[in-house]
This record gives sequence, C-alpha cells and structure tokens, in this order.
Amino acid sequence: GDSVTQMEGPVTLSEEAFLTINCTYTATGYPSLFWYVQYPGEGLQLLLKATKADDKGSNKGFEATYRKETTSFHLEKGSVQVSDSAVYFCALSDLDDYKLSFGAGTTVTVRA
Amino acid sequence: EADIYQTPRYLVIGTGKKITLECSQTMGHDKMYWYQQDPGMELHLIHYSYGVNSTEKGDLSSESTVSRIRTEHFPLTLESARPSHTSQYLCASSGPWISDTQYFGPGTRLTVL
Repeated sequence: GDSVTQMEGPVTLSEEAFLTINCTYTATGYPSLFWYVQYPGEGLQLLLKATKADDKGSNKGFEATYRKETTSFHLEKGSVQVSDSAVYFCALSDLDDYKLSFGAGTTVTVRA
Repeated sequence: EADIYQTPRYLVIGTGKKITLECSQTMGHDKMYWYQQDPGMELHLIHYSYGVNSTEKGDLSSESTVSRIRTEHFPLTLESARPSHTSQYLCASSGPWISDTQYFGPGTRLTVL
C-alpha cells in the first residue's frame, strides 16, 4: 500500500538556520502530496501541497517540490524563526480511497 | 480559516464511563475523519465517512464507534472508557477531490483515569 517515510526528529536549530526535512513516498500512480504543520496544542493545518510531478508548493517561506523520479517531497526553509517550532507531517492522498497516509512527524525546535 | 469544531477540548473521566466526542464542520464537506494521535505524535486513522449514513473503520483498530446522521456532524463514542483510550483525538473533513486539503479541528485531549 501507499506509505510515507519521513526524516526522524527531533530537530533543533538556531534562528535563521536552514531547515530541510526529508520525505519519500511509495505509491502507485500519481498521488497528491502534502505538508501539514501542527503547532503546540492545536490541530494540523495545511502548510503546502503539490498535485503533480515537478510542481512546487510554497507557503510562509517553506517550499517543497514533487519529484517523481526520486519519489520525494522534501520540505525546505531558508531562514527559520522561533515561531516555526512545530511538528511537521508529510502526507500523500491514496488514489483509490482518497485517504491520507501520514509520515510519523518531525518535531522542529528553533532556538533564539 | 477552517470551520471545524471539536468539543470538549480536554476531558478527564473515570474508567467505565460512556463518552462522546463531538465534531462539527460548516463547510458542507461529505468526507470526515477521526484520527488518534499518540504521544510520539504519529497519527492513526480510526474512522472515516464519505457521507450521511456512511461510516468505515480506519487503519487502526479502535473500540470507539461513530455515526453520521447529518453532513455536518460526526461524533465519536466510547461506550466504556479505559486508561488505554487516553490519547489526543483529531477530527478532519475534506472536499471530494484527491487533491483537496483535509481541514482539522483543534483536537480533544482525553484522559481516562
């Protein structure tokens, strides 16, 4: 079945550092790919998404490119802030039943 | 901003009690989901629904049950709570297309003593 493998955390960074969280997937066909973010005490919210190969999703300085040849959707941000401290989830939508398959989540802490 | 609500936000109850976690959305979405989130933050789908009178079990076996009598409402019930049910429960909804975003509620943190 479809699955997502996400870089393990936790990740601790200093402010203005470069962040990358690796995400690779296994799927038949062409799923849609998502990054969700969960801030402390809240539910998940969509950070960005891409629906076809070579699409780049971007939001709040974060970017991720749908790479079919490497089955990857790595999340990057050039200069993180303390407010970026959160748990980040990579996910794909199953082509058969449209359910989301989530990665295990990566906890990111940004120190001032 | 997503219009999906969960109540209560926090609940502490004793073993053996019956509880219902409420979830409502005002976006008219047919698809709704319940996830259980463990302390390591991993998400597990426990129930989903693709419309009124449609409910399915998710990937993680759960002793809870759900109902979908109205489009906007997707409550989750535990007939007899146990300490092993202690967890964070997240409700979500989405539109009809594979690329549609799932919108999440703020979650209910359940503690069973």
